[in-house]
Amino acid sequence: AQSVTQLGSHVSVSEGALVLLRCNYSSSVPPYLFWYVQYPNQGLQLLLKYTSAATLVKGINGFEAEFKKSETSFHLTKPSAHMSDAAEYFCAVTRGGKLIFGQGTELSVKP
Amino acid sequence: NAGVTQTPKFQVLKTGQSMTLQCAQDMNHEYMSWYRQDPGMGLRLIHYSVGAGITDQGEVPNGYNVSRSTTEDFPLRLLSAAPSQTSVYFCASSYPGGWETQYFGPGTRLLVL
Repeated sequence: AQSVTQLGSHVSVSEGALVLLRCNYSSSVPPYLFWYVQYPNQGLQLLLKYTSAATLVKGINGFEAEFKKSETSFHLTKPSAHMSDAAEYFCAVTRGGKLIFGQGTELSVKP
Repeated sequence: NAGVTQTPKFQVLKTGQSMTLQCAQDMNHEYMSWYRQDPGMGLRLIHYSVGAGITDQGEVPNGYNVSRSTTEDFPLRLLSAAPSQTSVYFCASSYPGGWETQYFGPGTRLLVL
């Protein structure tokens, strides 16, 4: 069964530093993979998605993620963190036509 | 477009009470879903619908009922609330076959005492 694991429930970076949020998936077939972001007291919004085209996917707000089949990973990165990036980030995979979410990673950005 | 709207924003219930969480979307999306969000557990699918008159169970359906009489609305009913149902509930919608790109409502925060 497809599932995702997010490594680290909380990540803290300094403003301007690299952001790296880790996601590993388990899937018996090539998956569709997604990153969603949730700002405080709001619903989720799609950040980016991988649907078997380019392995490097660019999303909104300067985020990108690289699909690595050999590592079964889909890590989210941003070269330079901004205070407004503080939020919770969810990795997700499709299973049986439905979305299965990881546990979430809360990103804090220190000034 | 208002997108996906949910009411109420916040609700306190006593154990055993019933209530309905409302969800509506104005994007003419066929697919709609209900999730609950609990700390450290991500979002878990409760029920979903692929169109009016069609619903199915998700990962954690026990204690919840749904119906889909129109494309726009997808209410979630708690027949007898329990403290374990204290959570934040999100409704989402998407195009047919577009489960991936789901549009989420702002959520309903439910506290069951």
